[in-house]
Amino acid sequence: AQRVTQPEKLLSVFKGAPVELKCNYSYSGSPELFWYVQYSRQRLQLLLRHISRESIKGFTADLNKGETSFHLKKPFAQEEDSAMYYCALTSGNTPLVFGKGTRLSVIA
Amino acid sequence: EPEVTQTPSHQVTQMGQEVILRCVPISNHLYFYWYRQILGQKVEFLVSFYNNEISEKSEIFDDQFSVERPDGSNFTLKIRSTKLEDSAMYFCASSLQGQVNEKLFFGSGTQLSVL
Repeated sequence: AQRVTQPEKLLSVFKGAPVELKCNYSYSGSPELFWYVQYSRQRLQLLLRHISRESIKGFTADLNKGETSFHLKKPFAQEEDSAMYYCALTSGNTPLVFGKGTRLSVIA
Repeated sequence: EPEVTQTPSHQVTQMGQEVILRCVPISNHLYFYWYRQILGQKVEFLVSFYNNEISEKSEIFDDQFSVERPDGSNFTLKIRSTKLEDSAMYFCASSLQGQVNEKLFFGSGTQLSVL
C-alpha cells in the first residue's frame, strides 16, 4: 500500500534560516511525488512535483529512491513561507495520497 | 488562474440528515475528485469521477456517499444520513486529463459539522 509519512507536525525556523521539511514514502513501484501548500485561509495548491525538477519560490525537492524520501528544502526561509505543507504520492491510476502535513512557522 | 469553487463554505447539520456539497470544477477539466480532512488528520481521498461515472473510490466512500454531475458545470457530493464522524473539511478538485503528473486544482473546501 502507498503511504506518505511527514514526521514533523510543526517546524519553526527563524527568518533567513534553512528549511527542510521531511517526507518519506512507502511504495514498491515508481511513484510520482508532489508537494502541496496551503497558506492561511487559502486553498491547497501545488507547490512542485518531482518530475519537473523545478524550483518554486526558492523551494526544491529531490527524489531519493534509495532512502524513499522527497524532502522539501529552502536555503533561506521567508515569513511568507509560513503555511501547511503536504507531501503527496501517486502512481499510475491510483489517487493522490497525502501525508498528514507539516506546519511551517517562520519567525521574524 | 481559473478556480474550483465550492459552496457552501460551512454547513451545519443534524445527525441523520442528508447533505449535499456543491462544487464547480474548472470548465474544461474532465476529472473530478472529492477529498476530506478530519480535523488534525491528513487529507484523504474519497472518490474520482470521469465521463459521468466513478472511476475510483476509497473505503471511506460507502453506500452513504454518492456523487453526481447534474448538469454541465456542477459536481456534487451527497451524504444520505450524516454521522458525527462525517464532520470534516471536504475538498473538491479537478484536473484536465487525469494524468499521473498532472496538477490537481483544489477548491477552498466546505467545512461540514454534524451535530
